[in-house]
Amino acid sequence: RKEVEQDPGPFNVPEGATVAFNCTYSNSASQSFFWYRQDCRKEPKLLMSVYSSGNEDGRFTAQLNRASQYISLLIRDSKLSDSATYLCVAGGSGAGSYQLTFGKGTKLSVIP
Amino acid sequence: NAGVTQTPKFQVLKTGQSMTLQCAQDMNHEYMSWYRQDPGMGLRLIHYSVGAGITDQGEVPNGYNVSRSTTEDFPLRLLSAAPSQTSVYFCASSFDGQEAFFGQGTRLTVV
Repeated sequence: RKEVEQDPGPFNVPEGATVAFNCTYSNSASQSFFWYRQDCRKEPKLLMSVYSSGNEDGRFTAQLNRASQYISLLIRDSKLSDSATYLCVAGGSGAGSYQLTFGKGTKLSVIP
Repeated sequence: NAGVTQTPKFQVLKTGQSMTLQCAQDMNHEYMSWYRQDPGMGLRLIHYSVGAGITDQGEVPNGYNVSRSTTEDFPLRLLSAAPSQTSVYFCASSFDGQEAFFGQGTRLTVV
């Protein structure tokens, strides 16, 4: 079974804190990786794609370690608006393989 | 650009009733899929399609049918609703290996 495993959470952090989420994936053939954000009672939305070289988008940094099959997301200077569930996603294992496998998500609550 | 449009947003069914959840996308994506999301279970794949005329089962297909007559539309049919199908349903579409775009979801309650 192809799985994506995430920290169970929940993470309760004060405003301004740095928080890190970790994720492992079992399918070594996976070729695309993402972090999604899901607000309560809403659909998941793409936060950022994850590249082998690592990538940064403002306060968010994502890292991929293919050897360890490990993905991370770092959020610096947490804001109240960052409170959400974060989903780790792996997919695209081979030509024409479209399926995305989602982790169960980690809930983040940023506290004033 | 509408993206992925899902209807209805809310539905209450009686046990044994049938219904169709509609999903349409205007991004010319080959890949479309249906997920259900239950508390503590994450997103689970029900059925998916890699193009018009092609569908396949996901992780939890029982009790659901799909068809893909056009690139744009991918309806999900509940054949005989059961309380275990109470859930939030999401339709998604994407290109091969690229990010998925989701519809707003359908909250279904079966009583």
